[in-house]
Amino acid sequence: DIQMTQSPSSLSASVGDRVIITCRASQIIGSYLNWYQQRPGKAPELLIYDVSSLQRGVPPRFSGSKSGTDFTLTITSLQPEDFATYYCHQSYSIPDTFGQGTKLEIK
Amino acid sequence: QITLKESGPTLVKPTQTLTLTCTFSGFSLSTNGVGVGWIRQPPGKALEWLALIYWDDDKRYSPSLKSRLTITKDTSRNQVVLTMTNLDPVDTATYYCAHRRGGPYCNNVICHAFDFWGQGTTVTVSS
Repeated sequence: DIQMTQSPSSLSASVGDRVIITCRASQIIGSYLNWYQQRPGKAPELLIYDVSSLQRGVPPRFSGSKSGTDFTLTITSLQPEDFATYYCHQSYSIPDTFGQGTKLEIK
Repeated sequence: QITLKESGPTLVKPTQTLTLTCTFSGFSLSTNGVGVGWIRQPPGKALEWLALIYWDDDKRYSPSLKSRLTITKDTSRNQVVLTMTNLDPVDTATYYCAHRRGGPYCNNVICHAFDFWGQGTTVTVSS
């Protein structure tokens, strides 16, 4: 299985801050990397697919990038609704695997 | 508008078999490239991919759970069913189904990502 190592596991930040969440894949996964946002008690929602494409309706303060097998989710100018848990997901090979999640909390 | 909804028992005894149904609308599982997957999430833990079925009846399973899982589809009823045998308390989780596309039918559509999710159904395994 491809391991997705996500960091940090938790992060405290303030409204207006810029935050970066990283996922490292244990092997090459091309551009088969997606990001999801999950609010407490809710289902995950797709934020970004194929490394950097924004799902419809996702504000442009969210962005994704790739460097080799390292993938980054950046949120600029944090808004109150952004405080949630974020997961990366590789769909390059079966079984799909998810990162362990990053809980973004208000400082 | 794509929607999915999971249904099934909320409480199951150890060693029993769990049957979950995903009922969806807004798409057809007979359309090229379309698939439905199952993902679970134990309380306070990360997401875990379980299984996936495509329009052409191609089925994929998590290797660690493959011997216990069966995924099937009923295209006419717009349903996907996941069966898990020999339940254990560690299988306690919220189970989600989600829409996905794959294969060579990816022009101008989101592929290889779960773009629509059900609300989830919570299953507790306990005697």
